[in-house]
Amino acid sequence: QTVVTQEPSFSVSPGGTVTLTCGLSSGSVSTSYYPSWYQQTPGQAPRTLIYSTNTRSSGVPDRFSGSILGNKAALTITGAQADDECDYYCVLYMGSGISAFGGGTKLTVL
Amino acid sequence: QLQLQESGPGLVEPSETLSLTCTVSGGSITSSRYYYWDWIRQPPGKGLEWIGTIYYSGSTYYNPSLKSRVTISVDTSRNQFSLKLSSVTAADTAVYYCARRDTSSWNFDYWGQGTLVTVSS
Repeated sequence: QTVVTQEPSFSVSPGGTVTLTCGLSSGSVSTSYYPSWYQQTPGQAPRTLIYSTNTRSSGVPDRFSGSILGNKAALTITGAQADDECDYYCVLYMGSGISAFGGGTKLTVL
Repeated sequence: QLQLQESGPGLVEPSETLSLTCTVSGGSITSSRYYYWDWIRQPPGKGLEWIGTIYYSGSTYYNPSLKSRVTISVDTSRNQFSLKLSSVTAADTAVYYCARRDTSSWNFDYWGQGTLVTVSS
């Protein structure tokens, strides 16, 4: 069974830029997987940041952007702020109605 | 504004069946063929796991790793969909979320607040 992979943790300095990635244990991520990115703060349900690779959800600041980098989907955060410190999940559409979550990345801003 | 709300027992004994219901308000489950209705869970301190989904027509798709124990159904008269997970163990302890998934983008665009289910005797 193919697994969706993410970096377990990442650090960024305030004001800095960070790129989180979302890959597959076997194969390459393309737009056909409709990659989406979710932000989750403790005790809250996730909220959509990016869907369909690079479309920002309503109300999401343009500091957040999505793309395909090489064989992975990517979420780039520019001008990192303290309240960006939380967990980020990618989701890939695997076909036949099935979606799969990555393991999540815990982002630290320090 | 669409809202989803999970409900069900917060404590389930090992080997029993976990049952949860998601009530949808502000919109009809059957009003559009463009949405799936999903269950997702998150064990304490761990990541999110997709459990399965149901389409307004009643078609279902499940996570292969849970498929043998999961049943998702819909009650259109009550605008609800439900999850049953059989033969539960402590590993099934998690916050369970219901969510709507848009078929044009496969994005989970609306989520419930989540409900914690603990498996323990």
